[in-house]
Amino acid sequence: AQTVTQSQPEMSVQEAETVTLSCTYDTSESDYYLFWYKQPPSRQMILVIRQEAYKQQNATENRFSVNFQKAAKSFSLKISDSQLGDAAMYFCAYRGSGGSNYKLTFGKGTLLTVNP
Amino acid sequence: EAEVAQSPRYKITEKSQAVAFWCDPISGHATLYWYRQILGQGPELLVQFQDESVVDDSQLPKDRFSAERLKGVDSTLKIQPAELGDSAMYLCASSLEGAYGYTFGSGTRLTVV
Repeated sequence: AQTVTQSQPEMSVQEAETVTLSCTYDTSESDYYLFWYKQPPSRQMILVIRQEAYKQQNATENRFSVNFQKAAKSFSLKISDSQLGDAAMYFCAYRGSGGSNYKLTFGKGTLLTVNP
Repeated sequence: EAEVAQSPRYKITEKSQAVAFWCDPISGHATLYWYRQILGQGPELLVQFQDESVVDDSQLPKDRFSAERLKGVDSTLKIQPAELGDSAMYLCASSLEGAYGYTFGSGTRLTVV
């Protein structure tokens, strides 16, 4: 079974600074998808960024980028120029590529605090 | 922007009572998911529907939980009887195609007393 590990229960960053959230995963599959989701205090999960395992290029979405290391099974999220609105719980998630089962396996999350 | 609608937003129930949650996915999304999120943890899949058919319910406690998606549109998740350990956030999500991630609803916070 696939597992996703987020080793940082909490992180903090100063506004305008850069922070990196860590995620590792375990899988025997060669093709899969990885995601970072944000869950603000309002609770709705929002997709931040996704990465297809077959792509070598790291995904980027504005201030958010990932460092995808397939061999190391590592998928970290970098947030540049942190803003107060970035404060939230961040979840790393894994999805296999087989069949019609699109189940996401989530890590336990990292609570990000942004200090003014 | 299209949203996944869930109701109620909050629910308090006594143990051994029945409780039901409703989800209306984004129009046209064939795949619907129910996840349970215990406080301080990541969500865990309870059941996945493709149209009206169950694709995965391996983690659904079938002795007390049931889920249906009649006509392949909205869905209901039921718990009977509720137990203290069922206190959690119940998230519904839908997708056109899983690779692009889901759209989640705002969830139902269940407290069993």
